[in-house]
Amino acid sequence: DSGVTQTPKHLITATGQRVTLRCSPRSGDLSVYWYQQSLDQGLQFLIQYYNGEERAKGNILERFSAQQFPDLHSELNLSSLELGDSALYFCASSRTGWGTEAFFGQGTRLTVV
Amino acid sequence: ILNVEQSPQSLHVQEGDSTNFTCSFPSSNFYALHWYRWETAKSPEALFVMTLNGDEKKKGRISATLNTKEGYSYLYIKGSQPEDSATYLCALPGVDSNYQLIWGAGTKLIIKP
Repeated sequence: DSGVTQTPKHLITATGQRVTLRCSPRSGDLSVYWYQQSLDQGLQFLIQYYNGEERAKGNILERFSAQQFPDLHSELNLSSLELGDSALYFCASSRTGWGTEAFFGQGTRLTVV
Repeated sequence: ILNVEQSPQSLHVQEGDSTNFTCSFPSSNFYALHWYRWETAKSPEALFVMTLNGDEKKKGRISATLNTKEGYSYLYIKGSQPEDSATYLCALPGVDSNYQLIWGAGTKLIIKP
């Protein structure tokens, strides 16, 4: 158990809908990262938050947004969903940033039908 | 953009044998190197974060070395066991990516009983 909690574990929704994925980082970790893993692909970095502020953006679509709340949990919002958004979405947290190891949650499997 | 290369792409090893594989990176602008193990149907698990040239780290039967001057890190597994079967990823923070981790494609290790 990495200490990072993601909910829900599985999500099935229709095209055009909007969903919210939730991540609770390890206690004391200030950074939260969101990654997307599409079928047989590697990890695609989406976005990072550090202590409530957006720190870096990767290849995140404009239909996607995220935020980190004062209690440091984070939410990833995916809207106007398309079939191609079906993927495993990982959240990871680390104590600070790139110099500290990242701990990954178990992921949310999103299926868009 | 930082280019992180891992070799070999895949590796079949007999149970009980020792093995090693490589992560290569540009030697300039080095900040840190991360190693992760990613088992099928699970989430990536941090193994090591290495920052200094000549660093050697060990966790059980797994160890890693770092040569920042020549731009490579080796991961060693001693006495491979079936539970070592996984994809091993290395990642480095990239200056051009606002220090986000740039991931190698991984080495897929399969241990044959």
